[in-house]
Amino acid sequence: GEDVEQSLFLSVREGDSSVINCTYTDSSSTYLYWYKQEPGAGLQLLTYIFSNMDMKQDQRLTVLLNKKDKHLSLRIADTQTGDSAIYFCAESGFSGGYNKLIFGAGTRLAVHP
Amino acid sequence: EPEVTQTPSHQVTQMGQEVILRCVPISNHLYFYWYRQILGQKVEFLVSFYNNEISEKSEIFDDQFSVERPDGSNFTLKIRSTKLEDSAMYFCASSTGGQPQHFGDGTRLSIL
Repeated sequence: GEDVEQSLFLSVREGDSSVINCTYTDSSSTYLYWYKQEPGAGLQLLTYIFSNMDMKQDQRLTVLLNKKDKHLSLRIADTQTGDSAIYFCAESGFSGGYNKLIFGAGTRLAVHP
Repeated sequence: EPEVTQTPSHQVTQMGQEVILRCVPISNHLYFYWYRQILGQKVEFLVSFYNNEISEKSEIFDDQFSVERPDGSNFTLKIRSTKLEDSAMYFCASSTGGQPQHFGDGTRLSIL
């Protein structure tokens, strides 16, 4: 079945770049997403990429997609303490508009001074 | 920016009781979803809803669960007879049909 895997924890120094990795199994995925969850809060959509793209950049965020290897990464440049959160990778197929999202377990990003 | 709103933020219920979780999706969205996240586990899909009917449901969404869009703005999840294992954070999401899905802040459901 469909599955999404992420490493569980990443620790970086403030000002460095963070790279969070994700692998997925569903080759029919059309969209891949990154959501951010701060403690006690909901899921905030950070960015997403369509499967026919290799890269998407949005300010400090860069998403890279290797469709052949089914590998997705999120790079956060100049990481700040406010970036400390859990980051979820998610994928969806396409079935006429209503698509369930399959989530990874989340990567906890800790930013230290 | 428009957002999905969920109420209540925290619901405490005795086991066996019925509970209704409420969501107001983004106003021009047509597709609605419920997900849940048991503490420390992955976010799991429960159900999707379009055109006043369920379009897909997971194996978690058994007969004790139901969804409804009682009016033009609300989208509800009812759990008929709650069990201890229903304790989780429940997220509502909505989309236009194109991507992506936007999530609410969730309702933390605690079953005693």
